[in-house]
Amino acid sequence: EPEVTQTPSHQVTQMGQEVILRCVPISNHLYFYWYRQILGQKVEFLVSFYNNEISEKSEIFDDQFSVERPDGSNFTLKIRSTKLEDSAMYFCASQARELAVTHEQFFGPGTRLTVL
Amino acid sequence: GQSLEQPSEVTAVEGAIVQINCTYQTSGFYGLSWYQQHDGGAPTFLSYNGLDGLEETGRFSSFLSRSDSYGYLLLQELQMKDSASYFCAASSARQLTFGSGTQLTVLP
Repeated sequence: EPEVTQTPSHQVTQMGQEVILRCVPISNHLYFYWYRQILGQKVEFLVSFYNNEISEKSEIFDDQFSVERPDGSNFTLKIRSTKLEDSAMYFCASQARELAVTHEQFFGPGTRLTVL
Repeated sequence: GQSLEQPSEVTAVEGAIVQINCTYQTSGFYGLSWYQQHDGGAPTFLSYNGLDGLEETGRFSSFLSRSDSYGYLLLQELQMKDSASYFCAASSARQLTFGSGTQLTVLP
């Protein structure tokens, strides 16, 4: 069964450093998302991506963040100048068609980011 | 913006029926989804309601009333493995907004 994969599973970094979180969405999916979940809290939408551009982003997704689909398979989230409050689980998700048509998003296992 | 409210915790015994409610305030609302999450792992899709009424998928059912901005997830014949967090999530055109989650504990 196809699945979304994410690497690394756990990333530890020093405050101020840059990190890149990687995701491989399901191969025939067209819509991609990043979410974050601070420990014990809700899943928060960060950004949606379609046709090689951002289609929507939340207030959280400021200039510190960027996304890229550098090739036909990977989808990355870059966080520049990390802060302590960026410590969270980051989930990638993919979807075959737009939300109005297909409703199920497939989530990866997440990358736990710890900023020290 | 969108906001969703759901109870923080629910406890029930094995074999019982439990209902998890969700109320929402949204703009550009398309429908309400439910996701299950075990121990901080990947959320997994359970169901979706785009229209008013009940959707049934095995032991799980979900209901939506657009006029009341209200939905619920009904879990029947509870099993120990159903202990998890359950999130309602509102769909707009380009994003999914999650509620704060309900931690379900199933007791033997």
